[in-house]
Formats: sequence, C-alpha cells, structure tokens
Amino acid sequence: QITLKESGPTLVKPTQTVTLTCTFSGFSLTTTGVGVGWIRQPPGKALEWLALIYWDDDKRYSSSLASRLTVTKDTSKNQVVLTMTNMGPVDTATYYCAHRRPATKGAVFDMWGQGTTVIVSS
Amino acid sequence: DIVLTQSPDSLAVSLGERATINCKSSRSVLYNSYKDNYLAWFQQKPGQPPTLLIYWASTRESGVPDRFSGSGSGTDFTLTISSLQAEDVAVYYCHQYYSTPLTFGGGTKVEIK
Repeated sequence: QITLKESGPTLVKPTQTVTLTCTFSGFSLTTTGVGVGWIRQPPGKALEWLALIYWDDDKRYSSSLASRLTVTKDTSKNQVVLTMTNMGPVDTATYYCAHRRPATKGAVFDMWGQGTTVIVSS
Repeated sequence: DIVLTQSPDSLAVSLGERATINCKSSRSVLYNSYKDNYLAWFQQKPGQPPTLLIYWASTRESGVPDRFSGSGSGTDFTLTISSLQAEDVAVYYCHQYYSTPLTFGGGTKVEIK
C-alpha cells in the first residue's frame, strides 16, 4: 500500500525559503521508472505541477518556477524534499506530493498525499 | 508548454443523467510508438487530494466505477459519467503527462441539478 505525507511550515514570511518534505512508504524510489512529483493548489484554484524527480535522479521543473525550485531525494529515508525560494503571497497554496508509476504501468500520478498548507504572510 | 482547456467550467446534472466534460490540448499527447494518449482524468472532492480515475485517455483505474469512461485521441478528450450519483459531486481535472512541464486543465465543477 502506497502512502505519502507532506510536511513543512504552515506560515512563512515573504522572501523566505520554504522546505517541504514528502515521506512515503509502500514503494522505493530506486525502482526503475518510479518518480515523485510535487503539485500545488492555491485556495479555490486549479492544480499546478511544480517538480518531478525520478528513480535515476533525473529532475524536471515547472517552466515558470524552475529558478526558484530544487527537488532532491533521500532513498535511505524514503523522502523527497522540495525547496522553494523567495516565497510570496501568490505561493499560498496546498502543496501535494504524488507517486508516479513507471511508464509501463501508465506513467501517471496514481497516489497523492493529503497535502500541506503553506500560507505566505508577513 | 502544453495547455489543456476544459469545458464547461461547471455543469449541473440531474441524478442518474449523463455528465460530459471536455478537454482540449494545445498539442497532441498521442505517443505514436505505443499508440497511447498520455492524458489522465482526476476527481477532487472538497478538502481532499485528487484521485486518479482514468489514464491513457480511456483506461479506468482499478476500483473506479464503470460509470466513468474516457475517450478521445490526439488533442480532444472527453470524460463521461454515464449516470450521475450524489457521490460524484466534485471537480474534475484533465492532466497531460506526455511531456514536461506537466500540465493540468482548469477544472470542471460537477453539481447536482
């Protein structure tokens, strides 16, 4: 059974850097084809993909946010960490991490965490 | 970036009636080598994360009721709920995983008439 859980600060000040951690179980990020992605959702708005890290450490980022994002993995801890710099009020959102299946099984986000809320305010 | 445009933004359907949601992609998401469309549909209920309904445009995820079906190819896709149930009230998103940056549609809110 695959589970993911996001954690991080609820409140951050403008210009600060936020670090979010996704702790998962039920799969290994050393398995060929597996990935973990980050997706956010501002209140009342649509989903926005942020980043994706693969089993081989290949990393992909949103075009508009690439300069502010860094994604890393710690396979020994079963964790993926997303760092976002220079936070602003528009970054207020629920941040989700999700398991991405290998391409042979659909290459799609099939399991999501419950999300963690980040509010950017002074 | 591939832009996904969903329509309508919202719709109200009577219980037991059909609901149809459209998703148009700015570029084809058909991966010719495998004849697979890299298009998925998610359901999101209030206060919950999205759940996967359909992938490869028409493959139902395990455990998803068969009243949910996906169709289409290339740039035009449809999610159909054949007989709307009360528990289907949610926002539905299409999602392309053909290429990065990955993108989602703007969402369609489905309500009971």
